Order: sequence, then structure tokens, then C-alpha cells
Amino acid sequence: DVVMTQTPLSLSVTPGQPASISCKSSQSLLYSDGKTYLYWYLQKPGQSPQLLIYEVSNRFSGVPDRFSGGGSGTDFTLKISRVEAEDVGVYYCMQSIQLPPTFGQGTKVEIK
Amino acid sequence: QVQLVQSGAEVKKPGASVKVSCKASGYTFTGYYIHWVRQAPGQGLEWMGWINPNSGGTNYAQKFQGRVTMTRDTSISTAYMELSSLKSDDTAVYYCARVHVGYGYGWWGQGTLVTVSS
Repeated sequence: DVVMTQTPLSLSVTPGQPASISCKSSQSLLYSDGKTYLYWYLQKPGQSPQLLIYEVSNRFSGVPDRFSGGGSGTDFTLKISRVEAEDVGVYYCMQSIQLPPTFGQGTKVEIK
Repeated sequence: QVQLVQSGAEVKKPGASVKVSCKASGYTFTGYYIHWVRQAPGQGLEWMGWINPNSGGTNYAQKFQGRVTMTRDTSISTAYMELSSLKSDDTAVYYCARVHVGYGYGWWGQGTLVTVSS
């Protein structure tokens, strides 16, 4: 299985400050169709996960533009330009280039 | 609007089976795959498999092969996930999810807690 490794595992951020989460995969997520199958999800406390970013850098409908995704190959980053209180929760990256789709361990973001 | 509504919490004994339902609304049920993902208490997310509601075709994670069965009833826009030979470490919240593109799960059910305990 493709191993997804996130760092850091926890993050405490002052509101209004930026935050960044790294995700590394054990193999390239670039497929022969030219797409890279890397997604970001946020699971807020007590809720189901929600899709933030698909195919590395595309924001899902309704996702604020303070969230951005980037990277290529095996190294990816989720950035929050200015963290807000509603951004608390656990962030997961996920790959689907190879079955089974696998998730990172999660990064818990809290507000200082 | 797209909605996925799952059945309620279950308590099962080891060795039993559980069947979780996921009722879809707000879109054409047969147009999008439904995936199942589980989350053990305090743990991360684990993919279980998918079902194509149009054909009924399925693809299961190897870990669950032989124990999981995903089905659907198109007449009521509902997908089902049945897990058999339950063990204590099957205790988890089970989610259904509908894809947006690829494996991007744009819509999730509210989750169903399955507790396996003697």
C-alpha cells in the first residue's frame, strides 16, 4: 500500500496567522493521465470528514480561498493563509493512485 | 442538495454481522460510486471499498475481502455495507461517501457507530 506521512501531527496556531501541513507519499502520485491523485480533508470535531482540495490544488465547492494546496510527485502541502477559529480539527491527506486509497495519520490543528 | 443519510448506531456481539444503510438524495443515485470508509475510536480513516450503484459492481479492500458485502437498491436510492464475523476491533464509525471527482469524496453520510462487544 502507498504510505502517506503527514507532518506535523499537531499544530497550534494563533488566529490570523498562516499554517502549513506537509504530506509525503511513498511513491509518486502522478498518473499516466497527467493528473495527480492527492486530496485533502478536514474532520471538524464530532463531524464527518469534508473535502477541501482535490487533485493537489483544486478547491472543492464552498471551500474558502484561504485554503490552498500544492506540490507534486511525492511531496505535497496544504496551506491556510490566515487561520480562523472554524478551521480547528484534524486534516488528512489521501492518495488514490493505487488501490486501496490510503490516508495520512492526520494533523490536529488547534487555536492558541 | 446532495444528502447521504445513514442508519442508526448498532451494538453487535463478536461473530455477528452488521448491515449499514446509506440513503442518497438530491442527485441521480446511479450516476456516482458510493464508497465506504471507517474510523476506529480516536484513529484515522480507513477505506473499505466501493459500489457502482448503476451496475452493482464492487471493489473491496483486500483487508475486508470475504467479510464485506456492498449492495444497493436503486428503487430507494440506498446503498448497503454488510460486515460479517465481527471482532472487537471492528468497533468504529462507518461512513458512506459519494465521489465528486476521482476519489474526492465531496459528500459524506453522518456516520454509523458500530460497537462490537460481548
